[in-house]
Amino acid sequence: LAKTTQPPSMEAYEGQEVNVSCSHTNIATSEYIYWYRQVPHQGPQFIIQGYKDYVVNEVASLFISADRKLSTLSLPWVSLRDAAVYYCIVTEWASWQLIFGSGTQLTVMP
Amino acid sequence: GALVYQYPRRTICKSGTSMRMECQAVGFQATSVAWYRQSPQKTFELIALSTVNSAIKYEQNFTQEKFPISHPNLSFSSMTVLNAYLEDRGLYLCGASRGGQGTEVFFGKGTRLTVV
Repeated sequence: LAKTTQPPSMEAYEGQEVNVSCSHTNIATSEYIYWYRQVPHQGPQFIIQGYKDYVVNEVASLFISADRKLSTLSLPWVSLRDAAVYYCIVTEWASWQLIFGSGTQLTVMP
Repeated sequence: GALVYQYPRRTICKSGTSMRMECQAVGFQATSVAWYRQSPQKTFELIALSTVNSAIKYEQNFTQEKFPISHPNLSFSSMTVLNAYLEDRGLYLCGASRGGQGTEVFFGKGTRLTVV
């Protein structure tokens, strides 16, 4: 049973801000939320992680709803290099086993 | 920076033969190393997890007899696919972590296995 639900695909133009949503209605209090992305012929790349509220780093920001059932990854000013499959993952406490769902395929258009 | 190297990037083997792949964490001490397989359909499967001071834990559908793993230290790990068949095709990914809850996992670029 999938732990997360994401839209299968999204499109954006270069320079736009992209918001990718993820639903994790059964998230446990001990679980964190991770976002990874994967470009063709590469392994997944870590983007950001969070537990609650709002997290920001040099690559992206992550907003987590108050009940933690929904998170949104925000990518400012996307470029062609941001075209990838974006995965939202929740982890079990004391285990970093990553259960990848089907992800969101982001297409960036010039 | 923290990097994970995997070798070889691509390999082809005959059905029924075996092949070995390697993973090395560079720039950090990996307290946990895991092997994943991404199928041609892009789904991920965790094969096994190796954590410092613990035995290697294989996931359901994967066994030590089929996917033996060696890790002389947690910066280096190797895995062999024994008696490879078509269903073993895919991208084998090594992920390494510095440990601690909420710590990111660094992935290599994978070893793509083709079985003919």
